[in-house]
Amino acid sequence: DADVTQTPRNRITKTGKRIMLECSQTKGHDRMYWYRQDPGLGLRLIYYSFDVKDINKGEISDGYSVSRQAQAKFSLSLESAIPNQTALYFCATSDSGTGVNQPQHFGDGTRLSIL
Amino acid sequence: GQQLNQSPQSMFIQEGEDVSMNCTSSSIFNTWLWYKQDPGEGPVLLIALYKAGELTSNGRLTAQFGITRKDSFLNISASIPSDVGIYFCAGQGGPGAGSYQLTFGKGTKLSVIP
Repeated sequence: DADVTQTPRNRITKTGKRIMLECSQTKGHDRMYWYRQDPGLGLRLIYYSFDVKDINKGEISDGYSVSRQAQAKFSLSLESAIPNQTALYFCATSDSGTGVNQPQHFGDGTRLSIL
Repeated sequence: GQQLNQSPQSMFIQEGEDVSMNCTSSSIFNTWLWYKQDPGEGPVLLIALYKAGELTSNGRLTAQFGITRKDSFLNISASIPSDVGIYFCAGQGGPGAGSYQLTFGKGTKLSVIP
């Protein structure tokens, strides 16, 4: 979804380095999410945010941190990267809405390799 | 936690054939979603289903929300080469889960032989 932009698209780094992945959106959605995708495991939720400065842990938050300083931006950090954090990372957004569950819309992902 | 079983894991079909895939769950969901992921891209929403029994179409795609709220299927009619990709089901919401919370199946990888 071009309205959800992730940078960088690819990153190779070494064990122990600090890494930040950025996500920005022009959809005007208040909710933002970070997922990790591994082969055979599907997508798993790392962190989510319902509003600026609102931060909530997902299924697999250990080793990660996030920051939501503006409604349109949500960044994911790996403070000290380790090889098993090698994966595809996706940002998603959704509207809070009323009445029905609002679906999530995904960015094109960041392929992260940790050597 | 909630788990989804998506089948088949992969399928090879001839161009022009119809395709069917499904997801089943051990617990109920309030919403079922179907996404498609192309190589190097993020999942793209195809169809969203909001009510048990609901049948919704999007072009050659048709999906249904099962009456028990524990299952959903996706059909693709008259497949074409650009249908190639990985299809994911996702259940959203449900008892004990936040309305935002998505549980994903592991995907069905579709290959279309011209």
